[in-house]
Amino acid sequence: QKEVEQNSGPLSVPEGAIASLNCTYSDRGSQSFFWYRQYSGKSPELIMFIYSNGDKEDGRFTAQLNKASQYVSLLIRDSQPSDSATYLCAVAREYGNKLVFGAGTILRVKS
Amino acid sequence: EAGVAQSPRYKIIEKRQSVAFWCNPISGHATLYWYQQILGQGPKLLIQFQNNGVVDDSQLPKDRFSAERLKGVDSTLKIQPAKLEDSAVYLCASSLIAAGGNIQYFGAGTRLSVL
Repeated sequence: QKEVEQNSGPLSVPEGAIASLNCTYSDRGSQSFFWYRQYSGKSPELIMFIYSNGDKEDGRFTAQLNKASQYVSLLIRDSQPSDSATYLCAVAREYGNKLVFGAGTILRVKS
Repeated sequence: EAGVAQSPRYKIIEKRQSVAFWCNPISGHATLYWYQQILGQGPKLLIQFQNNGVVDDSQLPKDRFSAERLKGVDSTLKIQPAKLEDSAVYLCASSLIAAGGNIQYFGAGTRLSVL
């Protein structure tokens, strides 16, 4: 079992729709959870992080965490073609240290 | 604020040759990380430094990979000798431990091709 699992996609959504990206993790001791966006040929850039169960919103992005189910998700509202990228889920046992990344989900937003 | 600087951006070498990558973290960031990202995979941590000390190098192939962070600022990652399977992007990241979290910022990476 991989430590952090993501559906590789591609996930295709029309422009303006909600994109839902999911991630599960195996380590119940995980404390912090991150979503990074990576454009092709570029380095990962942080979108959001979440530490507590529930939802956290930042603009068009909402991160959702359910530690009991070991599940974290990222919702992107009003998806734009510029959101087309690979979204990496990362998990850490301590706050931010030793991130374990999933393989990423490719998102394609069609105009 | 300047970001994480890495060089070179690209490197092509033949197997059994050696190669070195350089990283300069964001000013004031005490923690520095080297990741290896193979095509189609997420980044994998190779080594983590706190100032000039190694915190975690459990996934560093120590028979061929080495890294140092002299004076707690710049860092170099070396591969000697390189193998075909070392072809990947090598990412450097740095972080400043702050209240509530430890956000890692990534450099542009060095794309290594081993022929």
